[in-house]
Amino acid sequence: DAGITQSPRHKVTETGTPVTLRCHQTENHRYMYWYRQDPGHGLRLIHYSYGVKDTDKGEVSDGYSVSRSKTEDFLLTLESATSSQTSVYFCAISEGPGIGTEAFFGQGTRLTVV
Amino acid sequence: AQSVTQLGSHVSVSEGALVLLRCNYSSSVPPYLFWYVQYPNQGLQLLLKYTSAATLVKGINDFEAEFKKSETSFHLTKPSAHMSDAAEYFCAAQGGSEKLVFGKGMKLTVNP
Repeated sequence: DAGITQSPRHKVTETGTPVTLRCHQTENHRYMYWYRQDPGHGLRLIHYSYGVKDTDKGEVSDGYSVSRSKTEDFLLTLESATSSQTSVYFCAISEGPGIGTEAFFGQGTRLTVV
Repeated sequence: AQSVTQLGSHVSVSEGALVLLRCNYSSSVPPYLFWYVQYPNQGLQLLLKYTSAATLVKGINDFEAEFKKSETSFHLTKPSAHMSDAAEYFCAAQGGSEKLVFGKGMKLTVNP
């Protein structure tokens, strides 16, 4: 299994509070992604990173920010959590697009905003 | 931009029956294509991928998928369903330097 660890695995937080989710990899892959999974929507890309300090927005980036100060860590921050951000969040890593290599996924973080 | 369509959200088959999960992509350039499986409370695992080497791709657990450029399709099949195949299946596409884009997923139920 690819070495991807997401923390925490479960979190309940209150509306308006900041929340940070962490993704840690031991594969030295260049690309890291954050997705959210919601019923009827599949997986939607929030942000991704193609290198240290190099990040870009996905299709549902509003209300989220990311940082990548080291190759192995990719942080997702909900600056002021809302109930619409209740979801399961998945981190993924890959060697990079254009190469046809697959993405490897973490186990997910279930976030509930109350 | 790349998009992936999986029509419907749920399919039910009997154990031993053929499994067919449909996937269509939209792109003027044939992309890289993937099928992932997600078991309950787990992350996604790769079943198989198409990278232009062969149009019929074999994956794990007897799954296979055929790339048809003329139909912009990459349907997933398995000749005989097993109870352990019950899961959610996602088709995904990646074109050139673009991001990986997922379909909405298809939940497979296998009835005894």
